[in-house]
Amino acid sequence: EAGVVQSPRYKIIEKKQPVAFWCNPISGHNTLYWYLQNLGQGPELLIRYENEEAVDDSQLPKDRFSAERLKGVDSTLKIQPAELGDSAVYLCASSSRGTWNTGELFFGEGSRLTVL
Amino acid sequence: KQEVTQIPAALSVPEGENLVLNCSFTDSAIYNLQWFRQDPGKGLTSLLLIQSSQREQTSGRLNASLDKSSGRSTLYIAASQPGDSATYLCAVIQGAQKLVFGQGTRLTINP
Repeated sequence: EAGVVQSPRYKIIEKKQPVAFWCNPISGHNTLYWYLQNLGQGPELLIRYENEEAVDDSQLPKDRFSAERLKGVDSTLKIQPAELGDSAVYLCASSSRGTWNTGELFFGEGSRLTVL
Repeated sequence: KQEVTQIPAALSVPEGENLVLNCSFTDSAIYNLQWFRQDPGKGLTSLLLIQSSQREQTSGRLNASLDKSSGRSTLYIAASQPGDSATYLCAVIQGAQKLVFGQGTRLTINP
């Protein structure tokens, strides 16, 4: 069974440019998460989807970040315009239960963004 | 606000030693706790998940314990190997599937 797939793995852009990351969760997982991980830190939640609905986006900087999960499967995370401080690893994860008694989270390998 | 702390931030031990990684959290109202491993440049791999009603979970050479009342979890690694070198992260899950991570312990096993 395929795991969580993310692309691109690496992206280098200049500041003020847009960037987009794509995530394909494990088949059948209705919950999808985007996390931000700075160097030497644990991941921090940006947004959580239950199917197509964004149920927790309180940590998403909405002035420049946007996300979508149109058909309840794949998701994209966009930054426009990117700033130097956005350089980090963007991790996607999925899980199989949509209730508070959650199952395990499964992570992709991440998309490493460098903003110059 | 839930805060998760992992001590030590880095640990280096000789191959073959048993070791313990620590995780503490400030709010004991959690649903479960999950330990992850992260290799450099890679995503997170789930190691063990402990439900709030459980006290411990075991997988091979790994044993994780949970004491909700004291806000602590430990990850015990027996007979460490160089391949165990990685960063180990713990995360607590609270209501509405809110996962809060510690900053991780970077483990190095010296041959």
